[in-house]
Amino acid sequence: DGGITQSPKYLFRKEGQNVTLSCEQNLNHDAMYWYRQDPGQGLRLIYYSQIVNDFQKGDIAEGYSVSREKKESFPLTVTSAQKNPTAFYLCASRALESGNTIYFGEGSWLTVV
Amino acid sequence: LAKTTQPISMDSYEGQEVNITCSHNNIATNDYITWYQQFPSQGPRFIIQGYKTKVTNEVASLFIPADRKSSTLSLPRVSLSDTAVYYCLVGDKALFSGGYNKLIFGAGTRLAVHP
Repeated sequence: DGGITQSPKYLFRKEGQNVTLSCEQNLNHDAMYWYRQDPGQGLRLIYYSQIVNDFQKGDIAEGYSVSREKKESFPLTVTSAQKNPTAFYLCASRALESGNTIYFGEGSWLTVV
Repeated sequence: LAKTTQPISMDSYEGQEVNITCSHNNIATNDYITWYQQFPSQGPRFIIQGYKTKVTNEVASLFIPADRKSSTLSLPRVSLSDTAVYYCLVGDKALFSGGYNKLIFGAGTRLAVHP
């Protein structure tokens, strides 16, 4: 099946740990995105990438890092510098010629314990 | 990118038509308008996209006036399963050469459908 796969669905992080959320897509999309969503709130853009080996900071990039070594993969690392990481994280992808039509994964819940 | 403004929440009853309006006063000539639906703990999913006048698909209609400074998502005969958050997104459909399309979402409209 074509789509975007995020893993894990649920993740617990201890204070001071780095954790990495996986995002893989087989849609052959060039652009990929990471959003953060806090309970009852809208989506906030963390990082986005339009081509391999290039990515740009979104509105809330501090405490996060990404890589884009392959077209189909865009992992997000939540570092210990992110002081309030508990949230729902969504990965998305888009074909560059499709404008605003983007496709989302099922999301990953990250909780700090 | 054009900033969008939507009502924070709306209430409706099963079987009614629901209209959610999005304001985008500084929409650019090349911008398209796209609506997404999000259920709790899921990623948003595409509902409908338009540029001007009216667009209709199997789930919704999108009305865009001539000045394109606003748009209205119309959901006919809503059911309980339409309870969700609805986002309006405005941006350039054209391929960006050398630039990036950040795709910034607003706060969305929480629609609650009651029995």
